[in-house]
Formats: sequence, structure tokens, C-alpha cells
Amino acid sequence: KNQVEQSPQSLIILEGKNCTLQCNYTVSPFSNLRWYKQDTGRGPVSLTIMTFSENTKSNGRYTATLDADTKQSSLHITASQLSDSASYICVVSAGGSYIPTFGRGTSLIVHP
Amino acid sequence: DAGVTQSPTHLIKTRGQHVTLRCSPISGHKSVSWYQQVLGQGPQFIFQYYEKEERGRGNFPDRFSARQFPNYSSELNVNALLLGDSALYLCASSFSGLAETSSYNEQFFGPGTRLTVL
Repeated sequence: KNQVEQSPQSLIILEGKNCTLQCNYTVSPFSNLRWYKQDTGRGPVSLTIMTFSENTKSNGRYTATLDADTKQSSLHITASQLSDSASYICVVSAGGSYIPTFGRGTSLIVHP
Repeated sequence: DAGVTQSPTHLIKTRGQHVTLRCSPISGHKSVSWYQQVLGQGPQFIFQYYEKEERGRGNFPDRFSARQFPNYSSELNVNALLLGDSALYLCASSFSGLAETSSYNEQFFGPGTRLTVL
């Protein structure tokens, strides 16, 4: 069964600090991995997408890494801002069907 | 240019009733996918439609059905509502179907419809 596990479940940091979110997956065969940011009550917004051959992708203060051998990904947020408070969801799509499997998300709260 | 729109925003139904949710994709997008997001969990894939044909189905009972119209808008129907159907229903549009092109076929999500079943 395809699964995506994220950790930690929730995280509280101070404004200006860095943080790293983790994603482990068992989706096979692997097609691509995306990180989304979801504000409360809103639809997810794409941050990064990586395929098998990519091991890092940046989008402003967001940097995602992918280790396809260990089936792990991380999302690093630099110099956090209050607006970064949201749920961050890891999504892995399977090759062939491309049906996405979503993680439960990491809830990030940035305090002033 | 308008993004993905969904209606209604909120909906309250009672058990056993039927509900229809609507989605309009971004102009030029031909694919619509539906997701169910229960509170505190990540979205779960329900259906994907591309060029008015079903191209993918998640692990949901037959009470869930959908269709796509010639203008690429879509409806999600749920019959015989259960309490467990209470969730945020998300629609996402993309230019091509999930399996049609490369993995860079980006999905854009709408704001969702919050369904509460009492």
C-alpha cells in the first residue's frame, strides 16, 4: 500500500528561525514528490516538485531535498515569517497512474 | 485570470441526503480532480476527469460519483450521506490528465467546499 508519513506532526518556532520538515514514503514506482502549503480552510498551494533525478529544489525561502534511495524528503524553511504558519503537506505520485498520495501534513506555527 | 472556483463554500446536510458539489477549472485546463480532506488529515484522491472521461478513481464507495461537462467544469455527487462524509472537498485543475504528460503537470487547487453532515 502506498503511504506517505510526515514528521513532526506539529512544530512551533520563533519568527526568524529555520526549521526542517520530514517526509518518508513507500509509494512505488515513484514518479514525483511535491510539497504544498495549506492555510487553514484554503486549498493547498504548490511549493516545489521533484522527480527521481532531482535531489534539491528551491522556491525562495523554501528548499526541498529528495533521497530516492532512502525514500525520504525534507522541506527546509529559512528565516521563518509569521505568514509561514500553515500546514505543509508532502505528496508523492506513483508512476503509471500518477495518482497522488498525500501525507497528513505538518502543522507549523510561527510565533513573533 | 480567475483561479479554480468551487461552489457552494459551505453546506450542511443530514444523513441519507444527497449532495452535489461544483467546480470550475482554470481557463484552458482540461482536467479536474476531486479530493476529500477530513479534519486533521491530508487530502485523499477521489476522482480524476480529463476530456470528460474518468481517468482515475480512489478507494471510495459507489455513493461517490462525478462527471465533467463539455466546458470542463465538474460535479461531484454523494448519495446517502453518512456522518463520516463530513469534510473539506477540494477540486484541483490541471492542463492535462495526471498521466498524460510529464510529472510537471501542475495541479491548482480551489478553496474547497466544507460539507457538514448532521
